[in-house]
Amino acid sequence: IAGITQAPTSQILAAGRRMTLRCTQDMRHNAMYWYRQDLGLGLRLIHYSNTAGTTGKGEVPDGYSVSRANTDDFPLTLASAVPSQTSVYFCASSEMGTHTDTQYFGPGTRLTVL
Amino acid sequence: GENVEQHPSTLSVQEGDSAVIKCTYSDSASNYFPWYKQELGKRPQLIIDIRSNVGEKKDQRIAVTLNKTAKHFSLHITETQPEDSAVYFCAASFYSGGYQKVTFGTGTKLQVIP
Repeated sequence: IAGITQAPTSQILAAGRRMTLRCTQDMRHNAMYWYRQDLGLGLRLIHYSNTAGTTGKGEVPDGYSVSRANTDDFPLTLASAVPSQTSVYFCASSEMGTHTDTQYFGPGTRLTVL
Repeated sequence: GENVEQHPSTLSVQEGDSAVIKCTYSDSASNYFPWYKQELGKRPQLIIDIRSNVGEKKDQRIAVTLNKTAKHFSLHITETQPEDSAVYFCAASFYSGGYQKVTFGTGTKLQVIP
């Protein structure tokens, strides 16, 4: 069992390019999340999904989009990357709807936009 | 919205001493408080959590206390070891608008000096 995986591990991207960060979990968790982590700012929620077919905006959604076609996958897309999107991106999942609220994180993607 | 403040931002202790990290939250609706440990270049990993109906929880050398009235919670690490060196994040969580809203503190970098 892999848990939750992300790809790529790291990426350097030219400003204006489109980029999709991938996230896959095999825990059958219904909820998934995307966070960005910046020094001194902690983890901030970008988008979330409670179940396949539904998504919602978090704290910092501008410039990002997500989709949730199935339970396992939750890709994050930057339509036209800007330098301020340089960050470490973490995907997380949880079994929402039970007493277990714990979010489990993927290994992260380090993205640099030049 | 919820606001979580975490102190100190950095903490150095001698091996064997205790370390205490404190967090405050603003929204009385928060009812779940996880603590994550993040080693350099790695993902955040849950180390302990506490729910609002419990005042204290222990797991070996780690304990968390919660004061709902004062809206603060703390992480206590006893008999610190060099492998405890990492960044620790507190978080406050509750369900709102159909999803689990988690607000993270900005992190405490703990250094255990051998």
